[in-house]
Amino acid sequence: EVQLVETGGGLIQPGGSLRLSCAASGFTVSSNYMSWVRQAPGKGLEWVSVIYSGGSTYYADSVKGRFTISRDNSKNTLYLQMNSLRAEDTAVYYCARVLRTWNGSGSYPYYYYYMDVWGKGTTVTVSS
Amino acid sequence: DIQMTQSPSSLSASVGDRVTITCRASQSISSYLNWYQQKPGKAPKLLIYAASSLQSGVPSRFSGSGSGTDFTLTISSLQPEDFATYYCQQSYSTPPEGFTFGPGTKVDIK
Repeated sequence: EVQLVETGGGLIQPGGSLRLSCAASGFTVSSNYMSWVRQAPGKGLEWVSVIYSGGSTYYADSVKGRFTISRDNSKNTLYLQMNSLRAEDTAVYYCARVLRTWNGSGSYPYYYYYMDVWGKGTTVTVSS
Repeated sequence: DIQMTQSPSSLSASVGDRVTITCRASQSISSYLNWYQQKPGKAPKLLIYAASSLQSGVPSRFSGSGSGTDFTLTISSLQPEDFATYYCQQSYSTPPEGFTFGPGTKVDIK
């Protein structure tokens, strides 16, 4: 069964650090694009970061320079290292697999991207 | 950056109703549009990708249409399990700009 399980959330003081983990089963993390998405209490979904199968990483402006996405191929696990945490980082953090499908026309952008498998999420609360 | 809007922000409907949710992009995104369903306390679930392709296992009462800047998600006959919040997401502008989500449309019971 294809599954993602996030761990590592908790209560942390402003300025602190936390590392989230996302353990995958049923597929290989390193062969896929993987993403983190967060949801602040009562708010909508916000894309946070992505790591491509080739290793390239990208971040939302709101977390750039503070968060780092990575993976451990031997553990088939995705990570999100969060430093210099702020109150506005309080959210449920989801990891998701990002599938891409060729658009069939050869025109740019060449692929459709969509998040087909999601974990249940882990809650991060930044508060003193 | 591409901005996504949804309308309405919420709606009340009855079981059996036909429901339509609209998503608009700030610039043309061709058919690079996904729809997700989220129930309270649960992770989002992919419903539709590439504007109109039904994800495997999703009931056929869900359908998506549109291209360019205007898109719709239609539920042909609302079922009790469909009461949830629905989000659109563009994938035309990939990272570093990111996979932008719309603000969501909450569908509740009339």
